[in-house]
Amino acid sequence: QQPVQSPQAVILREGEDAVINCSSSKALYSVHWYRQKHGEAPVFLMILLKGGEQKGHEKISASFNEKKQQSSLYLTASQLSYSGTYFCGTEMDSGGSNYKLTFGKGTLLTVNP
Amino acid sequence: DAGITQSPRHKVTETGTPVTLRCHQTENHRYMYWYRQDPGHGLRLIHYSYGVKDTDKGEVSDGYSVSRSKTEDFLLTLESATSSQTSVYFCAIRLGLAGPDTGELFFGEGSRLTVL
Repeated sequence: QQPVQSPQAVILREGEDAVINCSSSKALYSVHWYRQKHGEAPVFLMILLKGGEQKGHEKISASFNEKKQQSSLYLTASQLSYSGTYFCGTEMDSGGSNYKLTFGKGTLLTVNP
Repeated sequence: DAGITQSPRHKVTETGTPVTLRCHQTENHRYMYWYRQDPGHGLRLIHYSYGVKDTDKGEVSDGYSVSRSKTEDFLLTLESATSSQTSVYFCAIRLGLAGPDTGELFFGEGSRLTVL
């Protein structure tokens, strides 16, 4: 089942902060975050696992609320290079990972000078 | 870095013709995926594989079949292409999660398919 992302789009000025949210109606084993630049493939940013483990880029910050099945990606002091479409991907909890990663529709982030 | 190659990168075909997209990896990753990407829909899972000859359906599997006869190759076939299958197709491999590995999906560069 496709997770729901919000907002659909956000426009920032360089240096401003943004939060992108991802929610699911199902119990999750993990949440992934990816960024995609126009015309390119999605690139991994972070994974958040049930139980609290996180792996990914050090400069990226995210949270995972297991009770609410919600995750948020925090982009602070934005740079022009942060522009792109952000996707969250979720894996259902079936007593562990089922390795079936389903993505949201994406959030278009534009950072202007 | 994980090596993954998609072919062809671009293809234009006519309605009703069969089309096969190939995804090739240079490492022995067990899990491989096919997604399609369309404006307003994000990335939608078509099929995935968890080993040789082991595959399962995703959200939008109708009209698509897959095969994995070798670890390194995952093929996506459109038996009779339709205009609604015009899309960008991404293959991905799943990296491990143990130790410093992240369990991430590493994507190929994509294959742009146009069905006229």
